Amino acid sequence: DAKTTQPPSMDCAEGRAANLPCNHSTISGNEYVYWYRQIHSQGPQYIIHGLKNNETNEMASLIITEDRKSSTLILPHATLRDTAVYYCIVRSGAEGAQKLVFGQGTRLTINP
Amino acid sequence: DTGVSQDPRHKITKRGQNVTFRCDPISEHNRLYWYRQTLGQGPEFLTYFQNEAQLEKSRLLSDRFSAERPKGSFSTLEIQRTEQGDSAMYLCASSLAGMQHGDTQYFGPGTRLTVL
Repeated sequence: DAKTTQPPSMDCAEGRAANLPCNHSTISGNEYVYWYRQIHSQGPQYIIHGLKNNETNEMASLIITEDRKSSTLILPHATLRDTAVYYCIVRSGAEGAQKLVFGQGTRLTINP
Repeated sequence: DTGVSQDPRHKITKRGQNVTFRCDPISEHNRLYWYRQTLGQGPEFLTYFQNEAQLEKSRLLSDRFSAERPKGSFSTLEIQRTEQGDSAMYLCASSLAGMQHGDTQYFGPGTRLTVL
């Protein structure tokens, strides 16, 4: 699976949009971009995933560049409860490639 | 709530003791995964099952570790002769295979193990 690069930490003001970048320059054509987050002492929570089109759900939006070498997770109106470590993971959609490879993630702090 | 559940949530044991953790996946999910997470690190893959078959094991899964999923539903992870280095959060995840674009894994709350 391709490696991802994320900033170690970010701050965002409550009520503002939080934009979390992720670089995955070696991504291949059948690999998806997944985002999870982990609030302190809890299990990782699935947020969203995409292949090449932008995706939106009730939690967030995922913007993937046209060359697919980077992506941005957007939390449109951050709240204090969004403080967490956010993981960007690239994973094959092929049958048989199942494990998730977590990096260090981005520690996002939402400030009041 | 029909999410992934894990039991116990916390376990404190003395070095050399055996411990067993249980994971109940989301109903109908046929894949089940175990991960381990040490302080300050992201989760690391240990093993996974499709139904009752254990299909992949990480090098992290030493001979002291054994995982089972006897009826293709719940799973157990046993650690024999625990060592202080086994102290970690043990996470279970489940997914439904056969989705067009690969399966999304949903995690449980984890079992935090402390070996004294």
